[in-house]
Amino acid sequence: DAKTTQPPSMDCAEGRAANLPCNHSTISGNEYVYWYRQIHSQGPQYIIHGLKNNETNEMASLIITEDRKSSTLILPHATLRDTAVYYCIVRSRTGNQFYFGTGTSLTVIP
Amino acid sequence: DADVTQTPRNRITKTGKRIMLECSQTKGHDRMYWYRQDPGLGLRLIYYSFDVKDINKGEISDGYSVSRQAQAKFSLSLESAIPNQTALYFCATSPSTSGSMEDTQYFGPGTRLTVL
Repeated sequence: DAKTTQPPSMDCAEGRAANLPCNHSTISGNEYVYWYRQIHSQGPQYIIHGLKNNETNEMASLIITEDRKSSTLILPHATLRDTAVYYCIVRSRTGNQFYFGTGTSLTVIP
Repeated sequence: DADVTQTPRNRITKTGKRIMLECSQTKGHDRMYWYRQDPGLGLRLIYYSFDVKDINKGEISDGYSVSRQAQAKFSLSLESAIPNQTALYFCATSPSTSGSMEDTQYFGPGTRLTVL
C-alpha cells in the first residue's frame, strides 16, 4: 500500500532553497516521518526525521503540518551534490518496515 | 556509511547457482535488514532481524533465505538464482527502540547482482 505521495521530479537552482513536498494523509499518531536520499545507486542516506514538531539539523529542515498529513523537506542552499532521489517514508502500521515508494528525483541546476 | 559493509559489491552469476551476500556492521545495532531495489523503483524489504534469534519475512521473501550469524552479521542467500533476482541489494541496520516507533536505519553501499 502506498504510504506517501511525492512528485516524481523537481528542479532547483544552485544556491536556492529546495522544498520537497510529501503527502502522508493516512499517518497514525505515533508514526514518524523520515527522509532519506539516494545518490546514483549508492545506499540511501538518512537526512532527518520528525513526529510532530519541525526539525532542523546540519543537512536540512523538516516542516510537518499541524494535522500531520503532509510535510516538506527543505534544503536551504542546494548544491550540485544534492542532486539525488529523495524518499519520504513513514513507519508502517506493523512497525516493522519502511515503505520507500519511488521518491522525488531532485536535480540541482547550475 | 562505512560502519555497514557489504560483500561482494558486484556479482555476476548464472541461473540456478546458489549465491550468498554478506553484511557486517560495527555500529552495535541489534536490528538488521535486507532490501532489494529494481531500476527506477524504491527499496523493498526482503527479510529483517531484530536480534540474533529473530528472523522475519518482509514484503518479498520468496526465493530468498537469511542467516543471522551474530549481532554484527546478516547474510542473504539465493538458493537457486533466477534472472528476475537481478537487482541492487542493500543491507541496513538500526538500534533497538524499546517499543518506540523511532527507528533510523543506516544503509550499506549495496551489492549489484546480475543473474544471467
